[in-house]
Amino acid sequence: DAKTTQPNSMESNEEEPVHLPCNHSTISGTDYIHWYRQLPSQGPEYVIHGLTSNVNNRMASLAIAEDRKSSTLILHRATLRDAAVYYCILRDVRGSTLGRLYFGRGTQLTVWP
Amino acid sequence: NAGVTQTPKFQVLKTGQSMTLQCAQDMNHNSMYWYRQDPGMGLRLIYYSASEGTTDKGEVPNGYNVSRLNKREFSLRLESAAPSQTSVYFCASRTLSGRNIYEQYFGPGTRLTVT
Repeated sequence: DAKTTQPNSMESNEEEPVHLPCNHSTISGTDYIHWYRQLPSQGPEYVIHGLTSNVNNRMASLAIAEDRKSSTLILHRATLRDAAVYYCILRDVRGSTLGRLYFGRGTQLTVWP
Repeated sequence: NAGVTQTPKFQVLKTGQSMTLQCAQDMNHNSMYWYRQDPGMGLRLIYYSASEGTTDKGEVPNGYNVSRLNKREFSLRLESAAPSQTSVYFCASRTLSGRNIYEQYFGPGTRLTVT
């Protein structure tokens, strides 16, 4: 499975935008880019996913580079509740992988009031 | 909907003891997964079940067995617990149809300590 590289930690102030980067230089054409986050003492939760085009939902935006070798998760206005570990994951949609997710260590986001 | 529920929330075992972690989902999902998360690490897949009646090994299956009891329930059994199995265990589920096909839904986790 293709690997992703994320910074270990990032910090933001409340109500400011946050840009969380992810590098995936070995991404293949059938890999979707997924983002999950894990709040303290909870299970991970889905944030957003995309293939080639930028995506928006109620939680965040996903900006995907034209060559797909990197992506950025954008939180438009960070809140204290957004403090979590954010995981960037590539998932191959072909055949037998059956939705398996491979988690790295992710980026620990700290939000200051 | 309760989503994905796991029992127990906490458990302490002695080396060599056995136990079963229970997981249930009420979303009519086809696929279910068991992950473990060690301190400071991401989640690693132990076993998964693509659909009722099927199970397959993930990245770290040694020391574990699973049972897909029915569509709702997927249990994880430790036959002879070892300190290396001290971890937080997460169950997840996923539908194979509809608009949420790409999302896995996770339970709150079971914190297991083996002494």
